Amino acid sequence: TQLLEQSPQFLSIQEGENLTVYCNSSSVFSSLQWYRQEPGEGPVLLVTVVTGGEVKKLKRLTFQFGDARKDSSLHITAAQPGDTGLYLCAGGGDGGGTSYGKLTFGQGTILTVHP
Amino acid sequence: DAGITQSPRHKVTETGTPVTLRCHQTENHRYMYWYRQDPGHGLRLIHYSYGVKDTDKGEVSDGYSVSRSKTEDFLLTLESATSSQTSVYFCAISEDPYNSPLHFGNGTRLTVT
Repeated sequence: TQLLEQSPQFLSIQEGENLTVYCNSSSVFSSLQWYRQEPGEGPVLLVTVVTGGEVKKLKRLTFQFGDARKDSSLHITAAQPGDTGLYLCAGGGDGGGTSYGKLTFGQGTILTVHP
Repeated sequence: DAGITQSPRHKVTETGTPVTLRCHQTENHRYMYWYRQDPGHGLRLIHYSYGVKDTDKGEVSDGYSVSRSKTEDFLLTLESATSSQTSVYFCAISEDPYNSPLHFGNGTRLTVT
């Protein structure tokens, strides 16, 4: 069974601060996805990383996939109140075979950015 | 937004009663999934479907069954609901899970008393 450990579970910061969320596993994943979820809604995909060492940027958000494809991080620069939400990492596949797109999710990080 | 409708959005039921949750899509996607979300556990896969009448178990399938008689509908049934099945249930769809993301519905909040 593949597991993803996401940390921290809760993050409360002031507007303008930087933060990093980590997603770690002992298993290899074919891809790693990051989602953001608002209350009462389903998760919405932010980014997918598939290559070891890959870095993707989405405005103030930077996503990195570890070289061994076992871990990932999400860094937010100069956080804003609009960034408040639940962030989820999800790993897909095991580097071989058919996974049918099944995802293994981390526990989630609840981010609160205070004005 | 992807055309995914989950019904009902909220349900309260008693222990031991059967419950069916419905996921309806208008995207004609082949792949459909049922996940449950609980605090401290993220989302966990219950069952998934890779075509009409083609379904398989996920990580937490005990106590749940599914059916997919047509492309647009994926039903999740709790044969005899238990308090441990109190959760928020999400349906997701994908056209091609290897090249396109999952799109999630807005969830069904189920409370088993």
